[in-house]
Formats: sequence, C-alpha cells, structure tokens
Amino acid sequence: DIQMTQSPSSLSASVGDRVTITCRASQSISNYLNWYQQKPGKAPKLLIYAASSLQSGVPSRFSGSGSGTDFTLTISSLQPEDFATYYCQQSYNTLLFTFGPGTKVDIK
Amino acid sequence: QVQLVQSGSELKKPGASVKVSCKASGYTFTNYALNWVRQAPGQGLEWMGWINTNTGNPTYAQGFTGRFVFSLDTSVSTAYLQISSLKPEDTAVYYCARVVRAGSGYALDYWGQGTLVTVSS
Repeated sequence: DIQMTQSPSSLSASVGDRVTITCRASQSISNYLNWYQQKPGKAPKLLIYAASSLQSGVPSRFSGSGSGTDFTLTISSLQPEDFATYYCQQSYNTLLFTFGPGTKVDIK
Repeated sequence: QVQLVQSGSELKKPGASVKVSCKASGYTFTNYALNWVRQAPGQGLEWMGWINTNTGNPTYAQGFTGRFVFSLDTSVSTAYLQISSLKPEDTAVYYCARVVRAGSGYALDYWGQGTLVTVSS
C-alpha cells in the first residue's frame, strides 16, 4: 500500500504570509496527487488535482507542485478564510485512495 | 447543481447496526462512482472504499471488510453505508464523495455534508 506523510503536522501563520505544506508518498505516484481543504465541522473541499491543476472556483493564491514522491501546496498570501486543515491524497492506484494525515494551519 | 445529501446523525449502542444514506442529485447517478470516507473525532480522513454505481460492485479498503457494506438504490440515486456489530471506535463522521476523472487520475469533487454516528452504551 502507498503511504502518505505530510509536514509539518501543524503551523501557525499570519494573514499575508506565504505558506508551504509538503506531502511525501512512500513510492512514486507520478502526478496522481490531490489536495483538499477542510474547515471545522465541514466536508473537505477539493483544491488541487493532478498535483498542480487548480479546481474550478479555487482562488489563484493556491498552487501545487511536485511529481514522483514529493509534493507541495503553497498559499501565496494567507487569507483569514484559509485557516483550516489541508490533506493530500494519492490516486495512483486507480480508485484505491490514501489520504495524508493532514496539516493544520492556524493563526499566529 | 450537484448535491450529495446524507442522512442525519445516529446514536447507537454497541452491537447494533446503522445504515447511512447518501442521495445524489444534479447529475446522472450512474456516471460517477461514490466513495466513503471516515473521520473519527479530532482525527484525519480515512478512505473506506468505493462503489461502482453502474454495477453495484464495491471495493473496500483494508480495515473496512466484514462489518462494512456499500450498496445502492439507483432508482432513487442513493448510496448506502451499513455498519454492523457497531463498536465504540466506529464513532465518527462518515462522508460520501463523488469520484471524478481529474487529469490522468481521480479526485473527490463533491462531498456530502457528513453523518455523525455515535456508538455508546
């Protein structure tokens, strides 16, 4: 099974900061990597698919990069509504998904 | 617009069963597979598996075989998650989510609002 790790597990940042979250796969997954945002009490929301493609309606301050085993999610200028938990998810094995453990972004 | 609407919260005793529903609207139900995802209190997302809405064939992730059953009623565009022999550690929010082709892979583009299942004596 493909295992996913994320770092850091949590971070504190201020509005306007540039934030980077890292996701690593236990084996190469090409670009079969998605990112989700989850706010407390809400369902997750798809932000980025195929490592770097922005889901429709998602602000352009979100971007993704990477391929193989190492991926990053970047928020170029953190906004108040971006305080949430972020999860990566691999889809390398068709419809056998794995989520990362999540990264919580909170207010400094 | 695409919507997945799940049934309401449940409080069950250990050993009982529960059936969670996920009703789809705004798209052709049989064109997209549905996944189930578990989130225990204060924990991360755990992928449980998916069901092919054309054939009804389910696929279960490791750790979700035996007591967990995915099913469909395509006549009402609804998927179901049934959990039997409930244990306190089954206490969680359960989400359904639609799978879409995303680039060369797949992603979960629409999610239900979640159903809280609480198992307590």
